[in-house]
Amino acid sequence: QQQVRQSPQSLTVWEGETAILNCSYEDSTFNYFPWYQQFPGEGPALLISISSVSDKKEDGRFTIFFNKREKKLSLHITDSQPGDSATYFCAASTGSFNKLTFGAGTRLAVCP
Amino acid sequence: GGIITQTPKFLIGQEGQKLTLKCQQNFNHDTMYWYRQDSGKGLRLIYYSITENDLQKGDLSEGYDASREKKSSFSLTVTSAQKNEMAVFLCASSKRDREDEQYFGPGTRLTVL
Repeated sequence: QQQVRQSPQSLTVWEGETAILNCSYEDSTFNYFPWYQQFPGEGPALLISISSVSDKKEDGRFTIFFNKREKKLSLHITDSQPGDSATYFCAASTGSFNKLTFGAGTRLAVCP
Repeated sequence: GGIITQTPKFLIGQEGQKLTLKCQQNFNHDTMYWYRQDSGKGLRLIYYSITENDLQKGDLSEGYDASREKKSSFSLTVTSAQKNEMAVFLCASSKRDREDEQYFGPGTRLTVL
C-alpha cells in the first residue's frame, strides 16, 4: 500500500523552464510534508517543507503548493538549472514522533 | 554542522551470508534510522532508534537486525543475504521530535552474488 504517491516518475525540462512535481497522499492524519533532493551517489537532503496549516511555502526558486481538501501538493522549481537535476522525494509525517513515509520519487533532468 | 559516515561504501556478499553495515554521526542527534532504497521504490524504513540501546521496527525489518551501541553509532545486519539482491542502504539521523528533518549518509551499496 503506497500512502504517498509521486508523479511523474521522471521529468525533463529545458533550462529556464518551470518544473512541476506532484505528490498525493491517502492518510488524512499526515500534517507535515518535507521534500528531499537526492543527487546520484549521495543521500537525500532536506530541500523545503510545509505543514498542513499552510497552502504555500516558498524558498527561492522552490515553492510548495498544498491542497488539503484534495490531499495533493506540488513542488514548483522556477528557472530550472542543470544543477537541479536530481531525484526529488515527497515525504509525509503526522507531526508527533512518527516515521516519515516517502514517495517513490521523481527523477528530474534539466537540459541546458 | 555534522556528518554521517557509512561503512563500507560498497559491499559484495554471497547468498546466505550475514553482512553488517555501520553508521556513525557527529550531530549529537538522538534518533537514527536505517532505510533501504530500491530503484523506483523510494525509501523504506527498516529500523530506527530514538536513543542508545533503543530499537524500533520499521516497515521492512524482517531479515534484518540492528544495534544502537552508543548515541553516535547505529549498525544494521542483513541476517541472510538474498541472491541477486541489490539495494542501497541509507543511514539517517535527526533531533528527537524532528523526524521531518533527517540528515542522511551517502549510503552503502549492497550486491549479493
